[in-house]
Amino acid sequence: DAGITQSPRHKVTETGTPVTLRCHQTENHRYMYWYRQDPGHGLRLIHYSYGVKDTDKGEVSDGYSVSRSKTEDFLLTLESATSSQTSVYFCAISESAGRYEQYFGPGTRLTVT
Amino acid sequence: GNSVTQMEGPVTLSEEAFLTINCTYTATGYPSLFWYVQYPGEGLQLLLKATKADDKGSNKGFEATYRKETTSFHLEKGSVQVSDSAVYFCALSDQTGANNLFFGTGTRLTVIP
Repeated sequence: DAGITQSPRHKVTETGTPVTLRCHQTENHRYMYWYRQDPGHGLRLIHYSYGVKDTDKGEVSDGYSVSRSKTEDFLLTLESATSSQTSVYFCAISESAGRYEQYFGPGTRLTVT
Repeated sequence: GNSVTQMEGPVTLSEEAFLTINCTYTATGYPSLFWYVQYPGEGLQLLLKATKADDKGSNKGFEATYRKETTSFHLEKGSVQVSDSAVYFCALSDQTGANNLFFGTGTRLTVIP
């Protein structure tokens, strides 16, 4: 299994509070991704990173920001959590672009009350 | 644009039955195609992939063939087991930029003894 961990694994927070989710990899892969999983939508890309300090937006980036100061860590921040951000969040990594597959972490279940 | 349309579930089969989960796609260019599997409470695992037309991906008795003429990548297994109960996701990689994945909505498979 690819060495990907996510923390926390579960979190309950209140509307309006900031939340940071962490993804950590031990594979030294260049690309890292954040997805959210919601019923009826599959997984949708929030943000991705193609190197240290290099990030870009995905399909559903509104209300989220990311940072990557080290190859192994990719942080997802909800600046002011809303109930619509209740979801399961998955981090993924990929060795390179092109025809390389992505490997997924175990997920973080976030509930915003 | 890029999109994946996947057979609606849930699907319930008896052990040793034949499985087909349909997947069709729309893409610009020549995508790679993937099937991922998600067991309860876990992240996504790559099941199989195909990177060009007429390629057949296979793993653990599952197979899928990349059909460019019908833009399809249907998942099949000849004899399912209870342990195959999971959610299956079809996905494509756009082969541009950061290798982003586009997912179908997932198909839940339950296999009963």
